[in-house]
Amino acid sequence: SAVISQKPSRDICQRGTSLTIQCQVDSQVTMMFWYRQQPGQSLTLIATANQGSEATYESGFVIDKFPISRPNLTFSTLTVSNMSPEDSSIYLCSVARVGPDTQYFGPGTRLTVL
Amino acid sequence: GIQVEQSPPDLILQEGANSTLRCNFSDSVNNLQWFHQNPWGQLINLFYIPSGTKQNGRLSATTVATERYSLLYISSSQTTDSGVYFCAVGGGSYIPTFGRGTSLIVHP
Repeated sequence: SAVISQKPSRDICQRGTSLTIQCQVDSQVTMMFWYRQQPGQSLTLIATANQGSEATYESGFVIDKFPISRPNLTFSTLTVSNMSPEDSSIYLCSVARVGPDTQYFGPGTRLTVL
Repeated sequence: GIQVEQSPPDLILQEGANSTLRCNFSDSVNNLQWFHQNPWGQLINLFYIPSGTKQNGRLSATTVATERYSLLYISSSQTTDSGVYFCAVGGGSYIPTFGRGTSLIVHP
């Protein structure tokens, strides 16, 4: 298994500002992902965080809005830029050691944008 | 991409009842997982089951890959089973696609 922590656990932000979410894993993992879960909805993959290179974004998500860093095999950050109320969601970090394989999730960051 | 359909969308049970949740998918897969999201939002991996049958306590899962469906059985349900159950499937690219989930409420 993998133990994943996220910071912050929740935040309330003003529109137009940016928030950086941190994801720390207790061991080295091959794959790290960032998901968004809007209220009452399923999970939507934002991007795969690649160590040492640019993240791979899913359709509908762009680097300017959701810049991602992954400096090593245990840590990643997701920034939500120029926020609007539509960005209010739970943001989840997820990891897997090899694909296909069991996937683990962090506790999530609950973001509210006013 | 792979389409994932879960049923039923909502389920309400009395404590002690049994239930079956279903996940249908549109293409062959090499990765299928069941997750439970508790009322506080934490996602817990229940099973990694691209084929066959597995059991863990009161929960069991069966995937029939050739017929493109998976079932999650919950026996003797408890209030702590409440939450949303997601099926996630992945094909050649591994990146799993999540279904819309089954919301379960277990009343005491």
